[in-house]
Amino acid sequence: ETGVTQSPTHLIKTRGQQVTLRCSSQSGHNTVSWYQQALGQGPQFIFQYYREEENGRGNFPPRFSGLQFPNYSSELNVNALELDDSALYLCASSLEPAGAGETQYFGPGTRLLVL
Amino acid sequence: DAKTTQPTSMDCAEGRAANLPCNHSTISGNEYVYWYRQIHSQGPQYIIHGLKNNETNEMASLIITEDRKSSTLILPHATLRDTAVYYCIVRSSGKSTFGDGTTLTVKP
Repeated sequence: ETGVTQSPTHLIKTRGQQVTLRCSSQSGHNTVSWYQQALGQGPQFIFQYYREEENGRGNFPPRFSGLQFPNYSSELNVNALELDDSALYLCASSLEPAGAGETQYFGPGTRLLVL
Repeated sequence: DAKTTQPTSMDCAEGRAANLPCNHSTISGNEYVYWYRQIHSQGPQYIIHGLKNNETNEMASLIITEDRKSSTLILPHATLRDTAVYYCIVRSSGKSTFGDGTTLTVKP
């Protein structure tokens, strides 16, 4: 167990709706990264938050947004859901953001299905 | 971050060593090599990482070639529970760039 928790575990939404996913980082970690993993593919980086600020973003549209709170927990918000947003959403926490030697520990993920 | 190339799939007999290769020929000097594995669409599990030197922990060993253009993850005594998708990543910043990984199947 990594100590990274995510909620909910599963979620079903319809196209056009909005969704909020939550992540609690491992104790002492101040950096949270979010990834999207489509079926049969590796995880794709969405963005990273460090001390409540966005600290890097992958190739995802602005309808993917996030927040980080003072306790370093984080939310991923997706607006105007599309069918292709169906995926496993993973959260990873680390002690610091930029150091390549800082290991990222992943949570169990939230499985989102968009109908 | 550098791109990695891994075989799509590999088989290994239970109790034998599993050697999973990874090519990262465009790796730069400040990039680390990380290995994760993922079982049944759970979250990726950290295995090991290294920069230049070979590394060993309770799960595995990581062998990095001298020119750092390739590496091998070694599971010394594979068990059925080691069946998973194994991802090799090279990383210099906070984000991890995953490929499609190697599906390792451990057979009795």
